[in-house]
Amino acid sequence: DIVMTQTPLSSPVTLGQPASISCRSSQSLVHSDGNTYLSWLQQRPGQPPRLLIYKISNRFSGVPDRFSGSGAGTDFTLKISRVEAEDVGVYYCMQATQFLYTFGQGTKLEIK
Amino acid sequence: QVQLVESGGGLVKPGGSLRLSCAASGFTFSDYYMSWIRQAPGKGLEWVSYISSSGSTIYYADSVKGRFTISRDNAKNSLYLQMNSLRAEDTAVYYCAREGAQMALDYWGQGTLVTVSS
Repeated sequence: DIVMTQTPLSSPVTLGQPASISCRSSQSLVHSDGNTYLSWLQQRPGQPPRLLIYKISNRFSGVPDRFSGSGAGTDFTLKISRVEAEDVGVYYCMQATQFLYTFGQGTKLEIK
Repeated sequence: QVQLVESGGGLVKPGGSLRLSCAASGFTFSDYYMSWIRQAPGKGLEWVSYISSSGSTIYYADSVKGRFTISRDNAKNSLYLQMNSLRAEDTAVYYCAREGAQMALDYWGQGTLVTVSS
């Protein structure tokens, strides 16, 4: 199984400041079709997860442009350009390149 | 709009069974792959099972293989998870999710809580 490792596990951030979360996979996420199926999800307190980013860097419908994704191969990053109060929650990376689909442990974003 | 509504959760004794359902609306259900994902209390997300649009391809996490069965009824726009031989470690909120065209879980239900306890 592909293991997804996120860092940090907790990220206290000042409102208006940037935040960055790293996700590393135990093997390349490049699919045989040439795509890399790495996505990012946000889970606000008491809510189900919500898709933010798919295929490394594509924002899902309705996601603010302060969220961006980057990376390749085994190393990926989610960045929030200016953190807002509504961004509080847990962020997960997920790979769908290979079954079994796997998630990172989650990174808790909180306001300082 | 896309809606996924899970039901069927509850309290069950170890060794017991439950059947979860997920009612889909707002999209052509038969066109989409679907997954079940669970989240134990205070823990992260764990993918449980996947079914292709026709139901011909199915995968399970090792932790549930041989005990859980995923199925779908495209005529009823519904996804199911039959859970047998339940254990305490199966206690979790179970979410159904749609897999979009880019192999990302783009819509999620609100979840249904399964508690396995004597």
